Amino acid sequence: AQTVTQSQPEMSVQEAETVTLSCTYDTSESDYYLFWYKQPPSRQMILVIRQEAYKQQNATENRFSVNFQKAAKSFSLKISDSQLGDAAMYFCAYRGSSGQGAQKLVFGQGTRLTINP
Amino acid sequence: DARVTQTPRHKVTEMGQEVTMRCQPILGHNTVFWYRQTMMQGLELLAYFRNRAPLDDSGMPKDRFSAEMPDATLATLKIQPSEPRDSAVYFCASGLGPVHTEAFFGQGTRLTVV
Repeated sequence: AQTVTQSQPEMSVQEAETVTLSCTYDTSESDYYLFWYKQPPSRQMILVIRQEAYKQQNATENRFSVNFQKAAKSFSLKISDSQLGDAAMYFCAYRGSSGQGAQKLVFGQGTRLTINP
Repeated sequence: DARVTQTPRHKVTEMGQEVTMRCQPILGHNTVFWYRQTMMQGLELLAYFRNRAPLDDSGMPKDRFSAEMPDATLATLKIQPSEPRDSAVYFCASGLGPVHTEAFFGQGTRLTVV
């Protein structure tokens, strides 16, 4: 079974600085998808960024980028120029690409990010 | 503005009562997920449907939980009888299967069983 591990329960960063959130996963599949979701105090789960495993290029969405290391099964999220609105729980998630098991997202335990003004 | 709609947003009920949570997936999405979030267990998949048929409900306690999709615009999650350990936030999410990528989440139902 696939597992996702976020080893940092909490992180904090000064506003305007850069922070990196870590995520590792375990799978025997060669093709899959990885995601970072943000959950602010409103509880809404918001997709931040996604990466297809077959793509070597790291995904980027404005101030958010990932460092995808397929061999190491590592998928970290970098937030540049941190803003107060970035404060939230961040979840790393995995989804396979084939079979019925491909339909479900497997989540890590989350990292609570605090932005210090 | 396409979104997943969940009702109610909050529910407080007494132990032993039946609880029904509802979800309206994004129009056109054919895959629906139910997740439960607790501090201890994080986000756990309870069940998911494609084209209204249950594909996997192995994460759901069968004796008290049931999930259905009466039609393409409504998914329900019922707990009968409810217990204090069921207190959690329940999320519904929808997507386009089988080739969809991300799932779109509703705002969740916070359930408190006293």
